[in-house]
Amino acid sequence: AQSVTQLGSHVSVSEGALVLLRCNYSSSVPPYLFWYVQYPNQGLQLLLKYTSAATLVKGINGFEAEFKKSETSFHLTKPSAHMSDAAEYFCAVSDSGGYQKVTFGTGTKLQVIP
Amino acid sequence: NAGVTQTPKFQVLKTGQSMTLQCAQDMNHNSMYWYRQDPGMGLRLIYYSASEGTTDKGEVPNGYNVSRLNKREFSLRLESAAPSQTSVYFCASSAPRLYNEQFFGPGTRLTVL
Repeated sequence: AQSVTQLGSHVSVSEGALVLLRCNYSSSVPPYLFWYVQYPNQGLQLLLKYTSAATLVKGINGFEAEFKKSETSFHLTKPSAHMSDAAEYFCAVSDSGGYQKVTFGTGTKLQVIP
Repeated sequence: NAGVTQTPKFQVLKTGQSMTLQCAQDMNHNSMYWYRQDPGMGLRLIYYSASEGTTDKGEVPNGYNVSRLNKREFSLRLESAAPSQTSVYFCASSAPRLYNEQFFGPGTRLTVL
């Protein structure tokens, strides 16, 4: 069975500082990995996804994530935080190969301090 | 192309009342899902439908029923609402050709008094 662990339910960074949101996964087969963002009172939208091509994945709004198989990690980064990045971020994993359910982490709320 | 739509957006029920949450997608996806979101608990899968004509229980199915009406529509029914079902409900859809990426609706905020 697959699972996802997001370290830190709340992360605070200063505007302009590096954003690092941590995600570790477990999967018995090669995984697909996702990061979603949720702004207040909205649904979830995809930031980026890993599907076994390049291990460094670039997404929207300047975010990127690196798939590290040896560490079973898929951490999300952004070099310089903007106030508009304040939101909740969810990491998710799916087994590869045809239809598979997706398992979500419990989320990390990002606060950006001016 | 509206993506995933959900109705209603807000609902207040009294304990014991019933209601149906509606979800539709226009992306020709095979699979559809219902999640609930509660503070600190992330998204929990209630029911899913891998393809038209099939439905299966997820992590927290008790107190809910679903119907996959056709390929586009997937409804969630609360037969006798309880305060513990106060939550935000999201519908999503996906397709294997898209690596099972979930496309989400805007959510329904339900309060049970």
